[in-house]
Amino acid sequence: GAVVSQHPSRVICKSGTSVKIECRSLDFQATTMFWYRQFPKQSLMLMATSNEGSKATYEQGVEKDKFLINHASLTLSTLTVTSAHPEDSSFYICSARESRGLYNEQFFGPGTRLTVL
Amino acid sequence: ELKVEQNPLFLSMQEKKNYTIYCNYSTTSDRLYWYRQDPGKSLESLFVLLSNGAVKQEGRLMASLDTKARLSTLHITAAVHDLSATYFCAVDEDRDDKIIFGKGTRLHILP
Repeated sequence: GAVVSQHPSRVICKSGTSVKIECRSLDFQATTMFWYRQFPKQSLMLMATSNEGSKATYEQGVEKDKFLINHASLTLSTLTVTSAHPEDSSFYICSARESRGLYNEQFFGPGTRLTVL
Repeated sequence: ELKVEQNPLFLSMQEKKNYTIYCNYSTTSDRLYWYRQDPGKSLESLFVLLSNGAVKQEGRLMASLDTKARLSTLHITAAVHDLSATYFCAVDEDRDDKIIFGKGTRLHILP
């Protein structure tokens, strides 16, 4: 089956630092990857859609300069939270859509829990 | 704008009982997904429903889709404690790449 990995699974950082999260599709090529944020007991909120080789499309209210997304290859997208603050603490989940997938299904990574002190 | 509504948002039920979670959506779509999320974990794909009248079953869970009513149901038969989790439905926006999630249904099954 389609497997998506994320690294790191958990990160704790000081306020003002930047944190990079990697999302990889392990056994398939993904032209499109998605980044979500989930606060406790809430649903997933789409932050941005990332297409390989082009700029990410951000959802309304998501700061482009704060959440930098790079989709450098068909198997890797990165999310960098710049100058992190405690309110950025959340569960970040990526997903990847297979380039030639039949059902347009997204496969989700295991998530990264970010805690900003 | 596509909206996805689930109900109930919280469900506490006893083992061996049956229950149904409902998912309504506001615009046309030809793909609906059900996911399970355990505390502290990411999403696990349960079902992909692609057409009107589609019905899929896995163990004690059965999902169906009525595209005319814009409604999907997730039916739980003879619930067991292991099914305690949060269940999300999500709908593919026809015009866009993205999927829109419902708020989720927190299911708590009492032993």
